[in-house]
Amino acid sequence: AQSVTQPDIHITVSEGASLELRCNYSYGATPYLFWYVQSPGQGLQLLLKYFSGDTLVQGIKGFEAEFKRSQSSFNLRKPSVHWSDAAEYFCAVGPGGSQGNLIFGKGTKLSVKP
Amino acid sequence: NAGVTQTPKFRVLKTGQSMTLLCAQDMNHEYMYWYRQDPGMGLRLIHYSVGEGTTAKGEVPDGYNVSRLKKQNFLLGLESAAPSQTSVYFCASSSPLDIREIYEQYFGPGTRLTVT
Repeated sequence: AQSVTQPDIHITVSEGASLELRCNYSYGATPYLFWYVQSPGQGLQLLLKYFSGDTLVQGIKGFEAEFKRSQSSFNLRKPSVHWSDAAEYFCAVGPGGSQGNLIFGKGTKLSVKP
Repeated sequence: NAGVTQTPKFRVLKTGQSMTLLCAQDMNHEYMYWYRQDPGMGLRLIHYSVGEGTTAKGEVPDGYNVSRLKKQNFLLGLESAAPSQTSVYFCASSSPLDIREIYEQYFGPGTRLTVT
């Protein structure tokens, strides 16, 4: 069965520091890959997506993610974190097929120190 | 353009009571989804619909029913609420212009449900 693992439940970084959130997936083929962000009390907002092609994808709010097939990973990065980036981040996999159901990781909560 | 809206935002139920959560989208999307979010569990799919009049079960459908009588609305019903259904419920929609865009889902703000 497909699965998504986000190994870090909670990460704290200082404002201005770089950030990398890890995501590993288990799937036979190359899935569609997504990162969503959820601010406190809000719904989920799509940060970026990977379908095929260039393995480094750019998203909104200065985020990027790199797909590494050999490691089954899709890690999210940002060179300089802002206090407003404090939120929960979810990696998700779209396994293909016509249903469209996303499989989510359990999330990584990001705290930002001033 | 409101996107995806959910009604109500908060609700407290007693065990055994019933209720319906309403999801509405104004983007003319074909696909709609109901997820539940529990601490440390991420989001899990309850039911989904690929078009008006059609529904299907997701990962955790037990205790829930859904209906899609109109393209823009997707209702989630709890016939006899249980404390295990205390959760935050999210509705999402997507438009299958191609197979990839099915997965690009737009989420509503959520409904926080507590069952006592």
